[in-house]
Amino acid sequence: GQQLNQSPQSMFIQEGEDVSMNCTSSSIFNTWLWYKQEPGEGPVLLIALYKAGELTSNGRLTAQFGITRKDSFLNISASIPSDVGIYFCAGQTSGGYQKVTFGIGTKLQVIP
Amino acid sequence: ETGVTQSPTHLIKTRGQQVTLRCSSQSGHNTVSWYQQALGQGPQFIFQYYREEENGRGNFPPRFSGLQFPNYSSELNVNALELDDSALYLCASSFKLAGGGNEQFFGPGTRLTVL
Repeated sequence: GQQLNQSPQSMFIQEGEDVSMNCTSSSIFNTWLWYKQEPGEGPVLLIALYKAGELTSNGRLTAQFGITRKDSFLNISASIPSDVGIYFCAGQTSGGYQKVTFGIGTKLQVIP
Repeated sequence: ETGVTQSPTHLIKTRGQQVTLRCSSQSGHNTVSWYQQALGQGPQFIFQYYREEENGRGNFPPRFSGLQFPNYSSELNVNALELDDSALYLCASSFKLAGGGNEQFFGPGTRLTVL
């Protein structure tokens, strides 16, 4: 099945560092979403973006909806150990049904 | 407000068997989507149910079927299980607006192992 191109696929960072990950698609989406998944749990929505160019923050997290509507990035500032997990980007189309297409995920490890 | 719940949490089946997974949507939500997440991959869309009817389908064979009930809860049925069906099955609920959509909230998933 289709998956979005997400990079990097994994990262090891020191606590306190900033993190950046991005996602690209060959298709246009009306909504970009960023989820975090921890072991044994389903993905949890972090940020939703609805408009091209939109920049949205949620605490230490900032995400942007690319102007072309084919890309998005997520930044995490001043990482802490509880940021560990797998981060997924996802694109959603509007109208009809709400199909969400996910990226392959970025596995983040934070070294205390 | 109750979140999305799924049952069972884990399940082991053998090839050729049939399985039913269950999902209770978040309070106030009217749409349920099912996803398959293989190890090390992102979730893959199976199908979506709205008003008790299948509203959209991903690239999955007909042996994957579902139901949505009047209380918006849902079932995913998989017949003739294959080894490759081993995965985490995620249910997500949302509130579908006329002409548009809304964010999906996920349950914890059911881990299915096919031997």
